[in-house]
Amino acid sequence: DARVTQTPRHKVTEMGQEVTMRCQPILGHNTVFWYRQTMMQGLELLAYFRNRAPLDDSGMPKDRFSAEMPDATLATLKIQPSEPRDSAVYFCASGLVQGGIRTEAFFGQGTRLTVV
Amino acid sequence: GESVGLHLPTLSVQEGDNSIINCAYSNSASDYFIWYKQESGKGPQFIIDIRSNMDKRQGQRVTVLLNKTVKHLSLQIAATQPGDSAVYFCAERRSGNTPLVFGKGTRLSVIA
Repeated sequence: DARVTQTPRHKVTEMGQEVTMRCQPILGHNTVFWYRQTMMQGLELLAYFRNRAPLDDSGMPKDRFSAEMPDATLATLKIQPSEPRDSAVYFCASGLVQGGIRTEAFFGQGTRLTVV
Repeated sequence: GESVGLHLPTLSVQEGDNSIINCAYSNSASDYFIWYKQESGKGPQFIIDIRSNMDKRQGQRVTVLLNKTVKHLSLQIAATQPGDSAVYFCAERRSGNTPLVFGKGTRLSVIA
């Protein structure tokens, strides 16, 4: 059963601490997205990668957020230092874009982050 | 600016009735649209998609209609069931291989 796996599912941290969220995309997918979901803003794109290269991270606050893909099976989203306004659910999604093939984005279960 | 938006934030329907969830988009260059369903505590789940060269597509109990003239997208759910209760998002791809842009979502509540 292919799925996007995100860890941790829940994270509570104090303001100023570093937070790292991890995502394992579906095997064979070459595009990975990070979205943030809040009640006020809905689903916002933070960054996305294709073939491990960052294509767009304009949705991320650059001073505190960073996204990487150390290898094809792992994507990370890091916040340092975290702030209460970062509290949200962070979703990773993956898809395949290759030649004539283009799949929809498959989402993970999300990481619910609470910064106190 | 251009955005994907929803006409109704909440929708309550009687079990067994049909549901219609609406979505307005403003980017005439968008070529691909998806409806996602999100249940509480879960990530969005693909329901059905449609390309801009079509005006209707049917799945199992769901139909998506696309009206490019008025830039309107709708999701119809036949014989709505309690398990259909969720938040529904429309999303558009504005060009090429760019990421999806999501609307704010509509909450569907099914009354048993």
